[in-house]
Amino acid sequence: DQQVKQNSPSLSVQEGRISILNCDYTNSMFDYFLWYKKYPAEGPTFLISISSIKDKNEDGRFTVFLNKSAKHLSLHIVPSQPGDSAVYFCAAKVTGNQFYFGTGTSLTVIP
Amino acid sequence: DAGVTQSPTHLIKTRGQQVTLRCSPKSGHDTVSWYQQALGQGPQFIFQYYEEEERQRGNFPDRFSGHQFPNYSSELNVNALLLGDSALYLCASSFSRGAECFGPGTRLTVL
Repeated sequence: DQQVKQNSPSLSVQEGRISILNCDYTNSMFDYFLWYKKYPAEGPTFLISISSIKDKNEDGRFTVFLNKSAKHLSLHIVPSQPGDSAVYFCAAKVTGNQFYFGTGTSLTVIP
Repeated sequence: DAGVTQSPTHLIKTRGQQVTLRCSPKSGHDTVSWYQQALGQGPQFIFQYYEEEERQRGNFPDRFSGHQFPNYSSELNVNALLLGDSALYLCASSFSRGAECFGPGTRLTVL
């Protein structure tokens, strides 16, 4: 039962342009969402989070948008840099319970 | 300040054997979660330990068990290994249900 879905396994973007990574979820009770970045041979690294009381959270080049009615989460990276090339996972939870992860989107930023 | 550390980094076992994986949480963190990440998939929650007790458990059989020690470090034990247990096992620590910090993982191969 995949409660968090990332339907795009890969994405290629030119350096300097915007990268948009998408995530859909099915559980309307989820109230906390995160994005993680993972490089090969490393564990996932926390990137940015958002709680369900907000619809946008920004941290430098990274912005997460939450559309609760659509059960949709997106991560915008502007401008994209070659060092952003990694696998990005979205995760969601009901506070106090376990995280559910998507299957990941592999982002390649082309110099 | 060391982050989450895991040992060993790689492990090869045969079917039917037992394995123990170890995790030291980030300094100041009191909660440890274990995840299994199969190839091409997102991390799947196994269980979480807090105050030396299993607080939550995902959809994994009883062959998967764990322990948390007074210093907050943790072990994951898997008995009667199956080929399908081959995966990257990730440990994550957090403080009081906050965002989790992941270790680099242990790559388990079952032959």
